[in-house]
Amino acid sequence: AQSVTQLGSHVSVSEGALVLLRCNYSSSVPPYLFWYVQYPNQGLQLLLKYTSAATLVKGINGFEAEFKKSETSFHLTKPSAHMSDAAEYFCAVSPSGNTGKLIFGQGTTLQVKP
Amino acid sequence: DSGVTQTPKHLITATGQRVTLRCSPRSGDLSVYWYQQSLDQGLQFLIQYYNGEERAKGNILERFSAQQFPDLHSELNLSSLELGDSALYFCASSLGLAVSTGELFFGEGSRLTVL
Repeated sequence: AQSVTQLGSHVSVSEGALVLLRCNYSSSVPPYLFWYVQYPNQGLQLLLKYTSAATLVKGINGFEAEFKKSETSFHLTKPSAHMSDAAEYFCAVSPSGNTGKLIFGQGTTLQVKP
Repeated sequence: DSGVTQTPKHLITATGQRVTLRCSPRSGDLSVYWYQQSLDQGLQFLIQYYNGEERAKGNILERFSAQQFPDLHSELNLSSLELGDSALYFCASSLGLAVSTGELFFGEGSRLTVL
């Protein structure tokens, strides 16, 4: 069965520092992988997705993620954190992409300190 | 604004009651999805409809049911409510049947509190 594990339920960084949010997946087939962001009192918004093209995926708001098959990872990074990046981030997997079902990780809350 | 509209935004009810959550997808989207977000279970896929037909089912309880109408809006019915059903219920929509063909757009959710 497919699953997603996000390491660290809370991550705190200083403004301007590197953001690294970790995600490991389990999938028996090449997966489709996603990162979503949820701001307070809002729905989820897609940051980026991996669909077996380039292993380094660039998303919105300066975020990017690298697919590493050997490590079954899809970590999210941003070189310099902004206060506006404070939110909850979810990694999700869809096995094969031939379905609309997404399996989400437990989420990581990013705190950005001034 | 994702274009997905959910009503009501907040709902407080008692155990044993029945509620209906409504979702209007983005214009042109044929798929509607329902997800439940709770503190203990996280984000869980409940069900997907595509152009009026059920296409995928997740961890949806038998007390819950959903449907998609000809105008493509969807309703999630929750009955015999229990305290544990308190959660944020998200609706999402997409153009196609699968994530390979497009992005899921999420509404802002309906927060259900069961007392």
